[in-house]
Amino acid sequence: EVQLLESGGGLVQPGGSLRLSCAASGFTFSSSSMSWVRQAPGRGLEWVSSIDGDAIGTYYTDSVKGRFTISRDNSKNTVHLQMNSLRADDTAVYYCAKGGRATDFWGQGTLVTASS
Amino acid sequence: DVVMTQSPLSLPGTLGQPASISCRSSQRLVHSDGDTYLNWFHQRPGQSPRRLIYKVSNRDSGVPDRFSGSGSGTDFTLKISRVEAEDVGIYYCMQGAHWPYTFGQGTKLEIK
Repeated sequence: EVQLLESGGGLVQPGGSLRLSCAASGFTFSSSSMSWVRQAPGRGLEWVSSIDGDAIGTYYTDSVKGRFTISRDNSKNTVHLQMNSLRADDTAVYYCAKGGRATDFWGQGTLVTASS
Repeated sequence: DVVMTQSPLSLPGTLGQPASISCRSSQRLVHSDGDTYLNWFHQRPGQSPRRLIYKVSNRDSGVPDRFSGSGSGTDFTLKISRVEAEDVGIYYCMQGAHWPYTFGQGTKLEIK
């Protein structure tokens, strides 16, 4: 059974940093792209970042380029999202998603709130 | 970025009756590998999205066969042959052909 468990969300002041983690199980992690997708309160879905299985390719939406960094540790079946220079409009539930262009499973999400 | 436009945004469904959601993309969704990456997701209140359909018309395991996807190019449709109470929630189309991947605005299905 595929499981994705996100952690690391919380309240942070604008300009601050957070590191999200996603622990994966139930599938061959190193063979799968992994992604982060976010949903602002009461809003729709926005793709944030993806990383290839071998971690060579990383991809970011324009609004987070230069501020967010995606990484993975295939020995620990985990993927991370380092978020720096957080802004109020980064406030959202962040979902860890298995796969990329045909993503097939999402975690329950972790809430990030950037507010003073 | 590829813009995904769903209609309607609000869908009053009738139990036992069919329902349909349209999704149009601003660019063709055929990837260089030859596949068309148009997926459909369903999100119930307080839950994470669940994929229903991938690559236009492939139903995920465990998804009732009353759900079907169709379309090509820039015009796609999700159909529910007979609406059931558990189908309420928000439906999103998503394109995975061009980076950044993008979603439609969502269609909220409620039972009238």
